[in-house]
Amino acid sequence: DVQMTQSPSSVSASVGDRVTITCRASQVIARGLAWYQQKPGKAPNLLIYAASSLQRGVPSRFSGSASGTDFTLTITSLQPDDFATYYCQQASSFPPTFGGGTKVEIK
Amino acid sequence: EVQLVESGGVLVQSGGSLKVSCAASGFNFSRYWMHWVRQTPGKGLVWVSRINLDGGTTSYADSVKGRFTISRDNAKNTLYLQMSGLSSDDTALYYCARSRDYNYNDFDYWGQGTLVTVST
Repeated sequence: DVQMTQSPSSVSASVGDRVTITCRASQVIARGLAWYQQKPGKAPNLLIYAASSLQRGVPSRFSGSASGTDFTLTITSLQPDDFATYYCQQASSFPPTFGGGTKVEIK
Repeated sequence: EVQLVESGGVLVQSGGSLKVSCAASGFNFSRYWMHWVRQTPGKGLVWVSRINLDGGTTSYADSVKGRFTISRDNAKNTLYLQMSGLSSDDTALYYCARSRDYNYNDFDYWGQGTLVTVST
């Protein structure tokens, strides 16, 4: 199975900050990478698919990029609604696998 | 509006069986591959199983293979997961999720989850 290593496990940030979360795949997955946001007591919500495509309805302050087996989720100008846990997931190789999550907390 | 509503999660004894369901609405259920994903505080999000459009093709995580069976009833717009030989390792919140695209196993809609607790 493809291992997804996500970092950092948590980050403290303020409203308006730029936040970057990284995910590294243990093997080549092309652009088959998705990012999800999860709030307490809620299901994950798809933000980004195919490494950099914004899911319909997701604010443009969220963006994704890829470089080899490294993937990045960037939140420009963090908003109060963005404090949550974020997960990456590889969707190219079977079975699909998730990263361990990054909790974005209020500084 | 797309909705996925899971049900059937309960407290069950180790070695027992359980069937959970996911009722779909707001989209053409028969046109989408469907999945089960589970979540625990310790192991995070783990993919469990998937099923194709007509139920003829299924796949499972190694950890549940031979114990769990995924199925669907397109006439009832419902997805199922039959679980047997349950152990404490199966204790989790079970989500059903819709496959965004056949070529990629990512998920554009999720239910709210149903909690399965296995007592030892």
